[in-house]
Amino acid sequence: QSALTQPPSASGSPGQSVTISCTGTSSDVGGYNYVSWYQQYPGKAPKVMIYEVSKRPSGVPDRFSGSKSGNTASLTVSGLQAEDEGDYYCCSHAGSDTYVFGTGTKVTVL
Amino acid sequence: QVQLVQSGAEVKKPGASVKVSCQASGYTFTGYYIHWVRQAPGQGLEWMGWVHPNSGGTKYVHKLQGRVTMTRDTSISTVYMELSSLKSDDTAMYYCTMSSSPRFDYWGQGTLVTVS
Repeated sequence: QSALTQPPSASGSPGQSVTISCTGTSSDVGGYNYVSWYQQYPGKAPKVMIYEVSKRPSGVPDRFSGSKSGNTASLTVSGLQAEDEGDYYCCSHAGSDTYVFGTGTKVTVL
Repeated sequence: QVQLVQSGAEVKKPGASVKVSCQASGYTFTGYYIHWVRQAPGQGLEWMGWVHPNSGGTKYVHKLQGRVTMTRDTSISTVYMELSSLKSDDTAMYYCTMSSSPRFDYWGQGTLVTVS
């Protein structure tokens, strides 16, 4: 059960968009529509931003969107704001009621 | 409101065991899975496994099988995660998190376990 692959970093200026990829295999990302995304600030617990590939929990701004194609899921943050700076992790169901997280991406707002 | 409150920080010697608790409130304890996720210093999140408070059923990540045990006490709405034969690379922040669907909705504040 290897971690899903994410780019170590991503950045954008305020108002721009940033997209983070999350690449797995047909046994996890590609096999289930159970990909979720988490935002984490330093020293804090993660917060769910997207679940089931593209659904947003109540309270999460619609600037956050998710998608999936094959074995790769993506999180897009549109209209980047300073408060979006942090670490982002994808997570996928990996069969047999197990889960796997991505390696994490640090988003910097320039 | 949903709350998960974890036990305090622990310092353990290599080879010892640690047991971290997670007390839930604000929802029907037996209705939702509790997962454990850990994060080594400066590293990413690692899913460890889950326990279902109603049945006591468990599932663990393969690499920790044989060393991790997740249990629950329904009388006090608390789940436990015990990790044995501790090694230095078990040093991490350990989080419990409740899932109402294939997502982790609510998180505890984290428990720092240091193995040294």
